[in-house]
Amino acid sequence: AQKITQTQPGMFVQEKEAVTLDCTYDTSDPSYGLFWYKQPSSGEMIFLIYQGSYDQQNATEGRYSLNFQKARKSANLVISASQLGDSAMYFCAMRERIHQFYFGTGTSLTVIP
Amino acid sequence: DARVTQTPRHKVTEMGQEVTMRCQPILGHNTVFWYRQTMMQGLELLAYFRNRAPLDDSGMPKDRFSAEMPDATLATLKIQPSEPRDSAVYFCASGLAPDGRPLPYEQYFGPGTRLTVT
Repeated sequence: AQKITQTQPGMFVQEKEAVTLDCTYDTSDPSYGLFWYKQPSSGEMIFLIYQGSYDQQNATEGRYSLNFQKARKSANLVISASQLGDSAMYFCAMRERIHQFYFGTGTSLTVIP
Repeated sequence: DARVTQTPRHKVTEMGQEVTMRCQPILGHNTVFWYRQTMMQGLELLAYFRNRAPLDDSGMPKDRFSAEMPDATLATLKIQPSEPRDSAVYFCASGLAPDGRPLPYEQYFGPGTRLTVT
C-alpha cells in the first residue's frame, strides 16, 4: 500500500480564493509526523507546515493550515487567499517514528489571475 | 539565514564517469538525507545519516552509489560509474533529531543538484 496518496495531479484556483490539496496516509505507527512542502519551478523544496500525530490542534502557518483528520488518516493542506506565487508543486510527506520519510507524488497547483 | 547548500547545482557528464555531489547541512543539524527526484519515481530516499553514521542506505544502488559524511559539515554522494538512468535531481536535506530519536521532526532541503548523464 502507498504510504502517502495525493489523488489530485493538478489543481486550479482563482487568485484570492482558498484551495484544499488532499493527502491521505497509511501507517500503523502511533507516533508520526505529517508535512507539506512546496516546490516552485525553480526546483527547491520549501517546508511549509508540520503536524504531529499527537497534536490536538490543526497546525497553521500564516495562510497555510493543515486539516488533520486522524481517524480518516487525512492531512489536507488548505491555502487561504491564494496568490500567484503559490503556483507550484505541493508534496505531502510523512515521518514514521523509526523508519523514514515518505513523500506523495505531488499536486501541481496553478493560481489563475 | 541558515540553509542547506549543495554543489554543484548542475552537472553534465558522460556515461562511465565518476560524479561527486556535496552537501553542507545546516550548522547544528545532526541528520542528513539524500533524495533523488525523477518524473517517473518522484522523490526517493537514497540514504540518511545521524551523527555522521549511516542509518539507512537501503534505497541506494550499492554497486555504484556511495554516501559518506567525512565530517559534520560535509556529506557526499558519489556515483561511479554513472549511467544515463542516474539523470535526476539529487536533494540533500538536514534536520535536528532530538536525543533518543533517530529522525528529526522536520527536514530542510538544499537547492538540489541537477545531474544529466549522456
